[in-house]
Amino acid sequence: EMVMTQSPATLSVSPGETATLSCRASQSVGSNLAWYQQKPGQAPRLLFYGASTRATGIPARFSAIGSGTEFTLTISSLQSEDFAVYYCQQYNHWPPWTFGQGTKVEIK
Amino acid sequence: QVQLVQSGAEVKRPGASVKVSCKTSGYTFTSFGISWVRQAPGQGLEWMGWVTAYRGNTHSAQKFQGRLTMTRDISTSTAYMELRNLRSDDTAVYFCARLREIGPVTPFDYWGQGTLVTVSS
Repeated sequence: EMVMTQSPATLSVSPGETATLSCRASQSVGSNLAWYQQKPGQAPRLLFYGASTRATGIPARFSAIGSGTEFTLTISSLQSEDFAVYYCQQYNHWPPWTFGQGTKVEIK
Repeated sequence: QVQLVQSGAEVKRPGASVKVSCKTSGYTFTSFGISWVRQAPGQGLEWMGWVTAYRGNTHSAQKFQGRLTMTRDISTSTAYMELRNLRSDDTAVYFCARLREIGPVTPFDYWGQGTLVTVSS
């Protein structure tokens, strides 16, 4: 089974700064990688698919790159509404679709 | 607009079954599959299974095989997830999510609000 590993587990960032989140796959997933944002008590929200394609309505301060086994999500000029948990998900090897364990972005 | 609306919270005894519904609207139901994902308290996301809306074919994660049934009702654009023989570690929020494209190599673009299932004696 594919294993997705996210780092760090928690990222403390001040508003206005940049957050960089990493996701590593145990084997190549090509570009079949998505990023989700989840706020407390809410469902996940799709941010990116195809490793770097922004989903509808996602602000330009969010960017994502990567392919194969290494992926990065960057949030520039962090806003208050960006503090949340972020998950990566591979959908190349299924079943099962697998998620990373999440990175919590918290206010420093 | 696309919406997935799930049924309300449930409390079940160990050994019982739970059936969660996911009523969809705002798109052609038969064009996109529905996945089920759960999240235990304070934990991450766990994919459970997927049902194709057109044919009703299902694919389950191995750990749920034998306990999980996923169905859909085309006439009401609703998907269902039934989990049997519940255990305390099945306590979680259960989400339905729409596959973004036809076919499995695609992420989930719209999600239901989640249904809390509590298993307790």
